[in-house]
Amino acid sequence: KNEVEQSPQNLTAQEGEFITINCSYSVGISALHWLQQHPGGGIVSLFMLSSGKKKHGRLIATINIQEKHSSLHITASHPRDSAVYICAVTPRGNSNYQLIWGAGTKLIIKP
Amino acid sequence: DADVTQTPRNRITKTGKRIMLECSQTKGHDRMYWYRQDPGLGLRLIYYSFDVKDINKGEISDGYSVSRQAQAKFSLSLESAIPNQTALYFCATARYNEQFFGPGTRLTVL
Repeated sequence: KNEVEQSPQNLTAQEGEFITINCSYSVGISALHWLQQHPGGGIVSLFMLSSGKKKHGRLIATINIQEKHSSLHITASHPRDSAVYICAVTPRGNSNYQLIWGAGTKLIIKP
Repeated sequence: DADVTQTPRNRITKTGKRIMLECSQTKGHDRMYWYRQDPGLGLRLIYYSFDVKDINKGEISDGYSVSRQAQAKFSLSLESAIPNQTALYFCATARYNEQFFGPGTRLTVL
């Protein structure tokens, strides 16, 4: 079993829908990361969080440390949100700051 | 200008050839990483470096080697490429907990 599991693996939705992508992990962490990979391949960091909730524009990330679970929400989704969304965690006590990566969720937003 | 650059962006080569992928950064970060990405799998760490004299193997270092020529440059070599090394390769730098990625190199080994 992977230490970081994302669901769903693939998600197709219509423009305007509210999107939720989930990430569960099995290790103690010091931080959780959400990243976005566009079809061109580049990866950009969206959020880094260790508790609570963060918001940036139409994107919201939440984390429940006790349940070892995080969600990424997209409000008023748009075709330009189509991308692979990747969850990763920094294990607690890891002085190397190495990340454990989820396999990604491929999101397609149809016009 | 991009903070983390990779060359080449695409490369097709034949089995047995030696290949070098290069990564440069202008972010001034000490930590640098090489990952590979295969369809349906998460990023897997090949090598990482905390400074010019500190090179460490990641989870899938077999068949690869690296060189940290300077703080800003970290190269990945495939001494004798094989088809299952066909993948998308990413270089990244890091400051504290946050990583910054290059645009990737798509490598195909025939």
